[in-house]
Amino acid sequence: GIQVEQSPPDLILQEGANSTLRCNFSDSVNNLQWFHQNPWGQLINLFYIPSGTKQNGRLSATTVATERYSLLYISSSQTTDSGVYFCAGPRGNMLTFGGGTRLMVKP
Amino acid sequence: DTAVSQTPKYLVTQMGNDKSIKCEQNLGHDTMYWYKQDSKKFLKIMFSYNNKELIINETVPNRFSPKSPDKAHLNLHINSLELGDSAVYFCASSPGWTGIGYTFGSGTRLTVV
Repeated sequence: GIQVEQSPPDLILQEGANSTLRCNFSDSVNNLQWFHQNPWGQLINLFYIPSGTKQNGRLSATTVATERYSLLYISSSQTTDSGVYFCAGPRGNMLTFGGGTRLMVKP
Repeated sequence: DTAVSQTPKYLVTQMGNDKSIKCEQNLGHDTMYWYKQDSKKFLKIMFSYNNKELIINETVPNRFSPKSPDKAHLNLHINSLELGDSAVYFCASSPGWTGIGYTFGSGTRLTVV
């Protein structure tokens, strides 16, 4: 199945800073998703983005399918952005998750 | 209204016991899933299921079995619990069979002692 690798594994930001999280995948995908797991453990679906760019408030995501990577941009970070960010690619109709990027935003 | 609900939220049990975790979704989704998250936060698929097909990740021990009384429910049964089964288990659902548009439950923290 597809392999999904994320970088960096850990990230500490000062509130207000911008950041870019990266997801590399081993094969072409028709289903690439980004999730946020908040400090209370809840997993929230951020983006379904097999290709192109999408924006949702301070978050945006870009997938370059031909080069097998996706980027998640966080602008003007807030403490509520803390948690773990996962990207996930398809494994049949299921998802294979990357190891996550653990983000801490300090006030 | 909770879209995907799991019970219990916490479960502490002894080795060798049999336990179940319940999952219900009120989204009208066709497909439901179980994932396991270990202590290092790695998320691993266990099962996907709709009313037509069950797909099992080949690495899941046969002590784990999903049971679906109807389209809105997918329960997870675990027999002969082992220490290594301690983890957070997440239920999820999606509208179709393509895995797009996941909604996760809030998780069940299982501790085997």
